[in-house]
Amino acid sequence: DAGVTQSPTHLIKTRGQQVTLRCSPKSGHDTVSWYQQALGQGPQFIFQYYEEEERQRGNFPDRFSGHQFPNYSSELNVNALLLGDSALYLCASSSTDTSGNTIYFGEGSWLTVV
Amino acid sequence: QKEVEQNSGPLSVPEGAIASLNCTYSDRGSQSFFWYRQYSGKSPELIMSIYSNGDKEDGRFTAQLNKASQYVSLLIRDSQPSDSATYLCAVNKNNRKLIWGLGTSLAVNP
Repeated sequence: DAGVTQSPTHLIKTRGQQVTLRCSPKSGHDTVSWYQQALGQGPQFIFQYYEEEERQRGNFPDRFSGHQFPNYSSELNVNALLLGDSALYLCASSSTDTSGNTIYFGEGSWLTVV
Repeated sequence: QKEVEQNSGPLSVPEGAIASLNCTYSDRGSQSFFWYRQYSGKSPELIMSIYSNGDKEDGRFTAQLNKASQYVSLLIRDSQPSDSATYLCAVNKNNRKLIWGLGTSLAVNP
């Protein structure tokens, strides 16, 4: 049973560029959430997708956008990258059918903006 | 007041001792509570989840929840050097958006 998978694992971008991060949720999960974790901080909620729609959004600018596909996989897009966007980006999956709201994380994508 | 608060540590305990990690939360409507372990450079790994008042034990780990006092704790018995990591407390209000503390750094000394 595949867990949550994310790609790429590491990438380096230049200020002003755009980046796309990808996530495949755990088998049987239909909800994908994205978090940003800066060094020394706890993860911060970016947004959540369910049924191909953004269901919730955290306090992040419009430069951060996402998408969910019919197979429940998801993408996170960040435009006009800033140095402060350097962080670990975590994808979490969960199921609306799961009691207890257990949430599983992928290994993350390390983004460095130079 | 932060929504989820943890002592940043570092908490240092000798090998074999009990490590006690604490977390308080502000939203009384919170329903689900989680402890994650995060090694440096890695993503968080779920250690324990707890949903009702009282204790929940899983191996060397015990989670304790007190909703009246709005705190949740994690006890690690017989601490091992491999337990050295950052422990993150996360709270959920039935909307699958986790609110996180900043984490407590634990060092288990051989």
